[in-house]
Amino acid sequence: ELKVEQNPLFLSMQEGKNYTIYCNYSTTSDRLYWYRQDPGKSLESLFVLLSNGAVKQEGRLMASLDTKARLSTLHITAAVHDLSATYFCAVGPNFNAGNMLTFGGGTRLMVKP
Amino acid sequence: DSGVTQTPKHLITATGQRVTLRCSPRSGDLSVYWYQQSLDQGLQFLIQYYNGEERAKGNILERFSAQQFPDLHSELNLSSLELGDSALYFCASSAGLAGKETQYFGPGTRLLVL
Repeated sequence: ELKVEQNPLFLSMQEGKNYTIYCNYSTTSDRLYWYRQDPGKSLESLFVLLSNGAVKQEGRLMASLDTKARLSTLHITAAVHDLSATYFCAVGPNFNAGNMLTFGGGTRLMVKP
Repeated sequence: DSGVTQTPKHLITATGQRVTLRCSPRSGDLSVYWYQQSLDQGLQFLIQYYNGEERAKGNILERFSAQQFPDLHSELNLSSLELGDSALYFCASSAGLAGKETQYFGPGTRLLVL
């Protein structure tokens, strides 16, 4: 059974600081997704990582994937208040039987001015 | 706006009742997924349909069922509701079947069982 763990679960940081969220998963997969969720809202797709060593960047967020270590990171550079949200990683199965996503528990990020 | 629509936005009902949640995928998307989000269970995959056929099943209770219609919209039926079924139910859609494309999430239906 695929298990996905994120840490930290909660992160409070000052504006302008850098930090990294970690996502570990238990079985082989070649697809990893990052989503953002604002309170009471839906999930917004941030990144799709499909190969070992993949790195994607959008604004102050950068995601990477190491399939050998079964680890993805979401790095936040010079955080701003607008980045406050809950971030989820999700892993897809590594076989052709649907595309159900297994989500991590989420990291609630609070950026203080 | 992801292009995925869900109705209703909110639903309040009593234990033992039955409700139907509706989802319309993004234009052109053939796959529809249902997820449940609750405080104790987190985000859990329930079921996937592709072009009208069930393709994958997750932790979906026997009291729950779903279907996808020829126009590709999907309905999730929840019956014999219990307090623990209170949650946010999301529908997502993607273009293909087992590809690696993004799943786009709808706004969700918040279900409260009293």
